[in-house]
Amino acid sequence: QSALTQPASVSGSPGQSITISCTGTSSAVGTYNLVSWYQLHPGKAPKLMIYEGSKRPSGVSNRFSGSKSGNTASLTISGLQAEDEADYYCCCYISSVIHVVFGGGTKLTVL
Amino acid sequence: EVQLGQSGAEVKKPGESLKISCKFSGYSFTDDWIGWVRQLPGKGLEWMGIIYPGDSETRYSPSFQGQVTISVDKSITTAYLQWSSLKASDTAMYYCARWRSGTTWLDYWGQGTLVTVSS
Repeated sequence: QSALTQPASVSGSPGQSITISCTGTSSAVGTYNLVSWYQLHPGKAPKLMIYEGSKRPSGVSNRFSGSKSGNTASLTISGLQAEDEADYYCCCYISSVIHVVFGGGTKLTVL
Repeated sequence: EVQLGQSGAEVKKPGESLKISCKFSGYSFTDDWIGWVRQLPGKGLEWMGIIYPGDSETRYSPSFQGQVTISVDKSITTAYLQWSSLKASDTAMYYCARWRSGTTWLDYWGQGTLVTVSS
């Protein structure tokens, strides 16, 4: 079973850009369109931010972008805002049996 | 508009049974999958399993097979997650989410149900 590794925390100042990585141990991450990213604010429903590696759902700010290099997917947030402070999880579809695996999550702090 | 409304927080004792719900509206309930995700206190998200309301086909993550039961009631467009005998280690936040057929992501999520199991 694949494991997805994310940094435990990242931080940045308002207006800066940050990148959260998601490294997979299987080729699933290397298949670009299997990675999605979710934002979790305490007390709120998790929100889909990126799907198929780099696509944004309607309503998600274009400050959020996704990319991939080898077996590492990345979420970049540009022009950091206080409201971006949240936990972010990457997710990868593995198979129809296991279905998905989540990364360990990254806490973003806006300084 | 797609909406997922989860049932309220629960406080239970070890050994008790529990069934939490996730009410869907705003789309064709039987056309897409519904997944359940656990978040232990202070921990990350864990995939529990998924069900297809059209025919109730259910697939469990190996970690949760035999530990919980996922079901649906199509007549009221509601999905369920249930335990027959809760343990303290089941204390967590539980989320339901929609998985559109043919896709590889969860596009709409419920707000979560906090389950606390304590003697």
